[in-house]
Amino acid sequence: QKEVEQDPGPLSVPEGAIVSLNCTYSNSAFQYFMWYRQYSRKGPELLMYTYSSGNKEDGRFTAQVDKSSKYISLFIRDSQPSDSATYLCAMSAGGAGGSYIPTFGRGTSLIVHP
Amino acid sequence: DVKVTQSSRYLVKRTGEKVFLECVQDMDHENMFWYRQDPGLGLRLIYFSYDVKMKEKGDIPEGYSVSREKKERFSLILESASTNQTSMYLCASSFLGQGGSQPQHFGDGTRLSIL
Repeated sequence: QKEVEQDPGPLSVPEGAIVSLNCTYSNSAFQYFMWYRQYSRKGPELLMYTYSSGNKEDGRFTAQVDKSSKYISLFIRDSQPSDSATYLCAMSAGGAGGSYIPTFGRGTSLIVHP
Repeated sequence: DVKVTQSSRYLVKRTGEKVFLECVQDMDHENMFWYRQDPGLGLRLIYFSYDVKMKEKGDIPEGYSVSREKKERFSLILESASTNQTSMYLCASSFLGQGGSQPQHFGDGTRLSIL
C-alpha cells in the first residue's frame, strides 16, 4: 500500500460545478497537508497549506482534513476552464530527521469544460 | 513571492554526456530539493540539501550527484547521461521551520531529453 493514494482521473466536469479532489494516507504521523496545482509543462504551484484537522478556505478553494479517517479533500467552487490542471496532494510529519519532507500523491487530472 | 528559477526549460543531451541542471532561489530558504517527475510515477526525490555544502540522498540518487556551494544555488549533475534519465526535473526550496514543516516552492522544471 502506498503511503499516499490519489485517484489519477481524469475528472471531467462542466464549468460552474463543485469539484471534490481527495487523497487518503496511511501514516498517522502526518500533520501538515498541502495541495498543489500543476499546469501542463509547468512546476507545481502551492494552493493550500494546512496543519492538523479542520477546514481552510481561500476564495473558491476549501481544504479539508479528517485525520481520524486519514482523508483529505480539496473543494473547488464555481469551477472554471482555467482550473483545468493536475492537482497534487502532499503531506508530512514535520520535525527533524527528514520527516519534514513531504510525501506526494501522484496527482489527479481535472478537466473543466465550458 | 518566492521565486525558484531553473536555468533551462528544455535541454537535449547525448548518452554519456555530463549534464548540469542549475537552480536558484531568492527567498533565503535553507532547504533545497531535486525531483524527477515521470508519467504514472509522480514526483520522486533525487537529492536534498538542508544547508550549504550539505546533501542527503533521496529515493533515487543513483546516477546523480549534487552541489550546493552557496545557499541560493543547488545544482544537479548527471555524471554520465543515459536514456532512462529522460524526464522532467523539478527543483524546490523551503524554509527549515522550527519543528514544523514548511511547504515547498517549485521552479517550472527542466524537460531533459537524452538521445
